[in-house]
Amino acid sequence: EPEVTQTPSHQVTQMGQEVILRCVPISNHLYFYWYRQILGQKVEFLVSFYNNEISEKSEIFDDQFSVERPDGSNFTLKIRSTKLEDSAMYFCASSGGGGLTDTQYFGPGTRLTVL
Amino acid sequence: ILNVEQSPQSLHVQEGDSTNFTCSFPSSNFYALHWYRWETAKSPEALFVMTLNGDEKKKGRISATLNTKEGYSYLYIKGSQPEDSATYLCAPDLSTGFQKLVFGTGTRLLVSP
Repeated sequence: EPEVTQTPSHQVTQMGQEVILRCVPISNHLYFYWYRQILGQKVEFLVSFYNNEISEKSEIFDDQFSVERPDGSNFTLKIRSTKLEDSAMYFCASSGGGGLTDTQYFGPGTRLTVL
Repeated sequence: ILNVEQSPQSLHVQEGDSTNFTCSFPSSNFYALHWYRWETAKSPEALFVMTLNGDEKKKGRISATLNTKEGYSYLYIKGSQPEDSATYLCAPDLSTGFQKLVFGTGTRLLVSP
């Protein structure tokens, strides 16, 4: 069964460093998302992406964040200058369409630890 | 702030017990409700997507109902098994454009043999 994959599973970085989190969505999907969960808190929406453009983003997704689909398979989340409060589990998701009943399929997450 | 609440926060039942959880959400700007099952260190697994008031969905021993007018959904598990132990997340889609799921805190279920 097709699945969303994410690498690395755990990333440790120093405050102020740039990190790139990678995701391979399900191959025929057209809509891509990033969510995050800070330890002990709810899963929060960050951004949705379609047709090589950001469709919607949350207040969390400020200028320090960017997303890209550099080729036909990868979908990346870049944090330019990490802060301690960026430490969280980051989930990538994809869906075949953006319709009401389309399921978002999630990857297993990347745990980001900022020291 | 869009408030999605799930109750109870955690639940411990014996194998064979039936159980249910609640998800409450703002009834305005509602488009769809997603339920996920999430085991630690694994990907959240999609269970249901529901859109219409009165919708009922079933997958094996798990079923869900939806009331969009009052803003709640129930998830039922009949005859719980240890492998049902997981966190169950509800996520309404309250966006005006592309899917933007707003997650609840989850209900952590533990089923003892």
